[in-house]
Amino acid sequence: QVRLVQSGAEVRRPGASVKVSCKASGYTFSDSHIHWVRQAPGQGLEWMGWINPNSGGTKYAQNFQGRITVTRDTSITTVYMELNSLRSDDTAVYYCATVSGGYWHFDYWGQGTLVTVSS
Amino acid sequence: QSALTQPASVSGSPGQSITISCTGTGSDLFGYNYVSWFQVHPGKAPKLMIYEVSNRPSGVSNRFSGSKSGNTASLTISGLQAEDEADYYCSSHTSDIIWLFGGGTRLTVL
Repeated sequence: QVRLVQSGAEVRRPGASVKVSCKASGYTFSDSHIHWVRQAPGQGLEWMGWINPNSGGTKYAQNFQGRITVTRDTSITTVYMELNSLRSDDTAVYYCATVSGGYWHFDYWGQGTLVTVSS
Repeated sequence: QSALTQPASVSGSPGQSITISCTGTGSDLFGYNYVSWFQVHPGKAPKLMIYEVSNRPSGVSNRFSGSKSGNTASLTISGLQAEDEADYYCSSHTSDIIWLFGGGTRLTVL
């Protein structure tokens, strides 16, 4: 079965960076784009960007341009999301999710990673 | 700038039906009928309930249904149950392959 397993909770100071991982299994890694979505406390879902694991090509939401980098390591079927210049309003649960080839919806989700930004 | 707009809250009594709307603005949304709906319980990852406007994934109750008219998509839940109380989000994407979520609708089962 498809599984997306994310790294554990992180605490960072304002201005620091965080890198969250998403280990994929149970399907052909190159067959699905992997997206990142976050949810701040009491707020809605916010789409951040995606990566094509096959080509490494990426697309980011305008709100995160210049601060986000999504990469992948095909040898270990893992995708990484790095967010720089953290602010307190980046405190959120970060999710990875797949969009299977030929489809246009998020079908499988990771368990989420809480990132807390606090001085 | 494309956007998806949902009501902040809806409510209904057990056994009743409710409908949550999702209105798209912007010239390149909904053009391909790729609207999906997610259920989010507190502290849990989103769960796909409807995709491509009206398709239900395996395992999702047939009490959940989706439709679309013009630039407004709708999620209907019939025979409301206590466990349906959650936040619901619609989602779609633009021709630039930018994904969007609606602001979310809090469903309260009275």
